[in-house]
Amino acid sequence: EPEVTQTPSHQVTQMGQEVILRCVPISNHLYFYWYRQILGQKVEFLVSFYNNEISEKSEIFDDQFSVERPDGSNFTLKIRSTKLEDSAMYFCASSALLAGGTDTQYFGPGTRLTVL
Amino acid sequence: QQQVKQSPQSLIVQKGGISIINCAYENTAFDYFPWYQQFPGKGPALLIAIRPDVSEKKEGRFTISFNKSAKQFSLHIMDSQPGDSATYFCAASPPLTFGGGTRLMVKP
Repeated sequence: EPEVTQTPSHQVTQMGQEVILRCVPISNHLYFYWYRQILGQKVEFLVSFYNNEISEKSEIFDDQFSVERPDGSNFTLKIRSTKLEDSAMYFCASSALLAGGTDTQYFGPGTRLTVL
Repeated sequence: QQQVKQSPQSLIVQKGGISIINCAYENTAFDYFPWYQQFPGKGPALLIAIRPDVSEKKEGRFTISFNKSAKQFSLHIMDSQPGDSATYFCAASPPLTFGGGTRLMVKP
């Protein structure tokens, strides 16, 4: 069964450093997403991406965040200057454009980001 | 407008019992309501989903009941098993907006 993969599984960084989280969505999917989950809290939407551009973003997704699809398989989330409060689990998800617009998203296993 | 409220935050059920988790939403533009199951250290996995044109959907031991007029929906897990112990999130989309989660523990 195809699945979303994410690397690394755990990233530790110093405050102020840049980090890039990587995702490989399911191969025939067209929509890509990033979410974050602070420990013990709910999953929060960050951004959606379609046709090589951002289609929607939340208030959390400020100027320090950016997304990119550098090639035909990878989807990345960059945090330019990490803050302590960026420590969270970051999930990538993807969905196919299905008839009727069903928004079934499949999640990767996540990257745990720890900012020291 | 985007909020999805979920209750209870935690739930303990005996093996074989029924687990019930409730959610309410505000945004009437939502048109797809999935439930996700999350085990520790894993990403959320789609469990079952419903669209607002039906009032109930059943898949095995899992049933979603949907009340469009009340803007509420619930997940029922029949014959709950220890392997069902996980965190459950209701959600509504678009965009995919999660409830706060319910940590379910099924005691043997």
